[in-house]
Amino acid sequence: DQQVKQNSPSLSVQEGRISILNCDYTNSMFDYFLWYKKYPAEGPTFLISISSIKDKNEDGRFTVFLNKSAKHLSLHIVPSQPGDSAVYFCAANAGSNYKLTFGKGTLLTVNP
Amino acid sequence: DGGITQSPKYLFRKEGQNVTLSCEQNLNHDAMYWYRQDPGQGLRLIYYSQIVNDFQKGDIAEGYSVSREKKESFPLTVTSAQKNPTAFYLCASSPQRLGTEAFFGQGTRLTVV
Repeated sequence: DQQVKQNSPSLSVQEGRISILNCDYTNSMFDYFLWYKKYPAEGPTFLISISSIKDKNEDGRFTVFLNKSAKHLSLHIVPSQPGDSAVYFCAANAGSNYKLTFGKGTLLTVNP
Repeated sequence: DGGITQSPKYLFRKEGQNVTLSCEQNLNHDAMYWYRQDPGQGLRLIYYSQIVNDFQKGDIAEGYSVSREKKESFPLTVTSAQKNPTAFYLCASSPQRLGTEAFFGQGTRLTVV
């Protein structure tokens, strides 16, 4: 049973436009959420995170929104750049359990 | 330079052989993890350890074994019991502190022929 779901396997946007990547979760015990970016044959790198006590966190071009009632979070990238093309993973963990549960990822392609 | 080192980057083994993947970190992190990535499957947790001499099974532990004798090291053995061992393996570590992210190594691509 998948507890973290990224229902869009891929997304294509034009350079300069907004990219919106979505993530849904089913475990109500999750209280910390993270986004990772991954290039082929490399390890994921941390992008941005949000605690369940917040509904928004911003870092430069990246903003994560959390809707706890809907068990949904999204990552906004504005403006999108060709270098943003990668697989983006949503991850979550619950309380003192440091185990991270990942979604299947969304391949973002930013076209020049 | 602090970080997580996985070795080797590419590994080829014959079917039926055990193989051990190395993971070392100098970040002084308490927790360490092994994930497996397959196409279309995302990252699936194999084993994790929150403290030296202790580790827990993840979601797909069958056919794998680990040890955590030192804080810096968390080797993963892929045994002959693992039915589909060919994959990209990722090691990660994190501090034992709420609200922190896990740091990943560069991965090991294991191919069993």
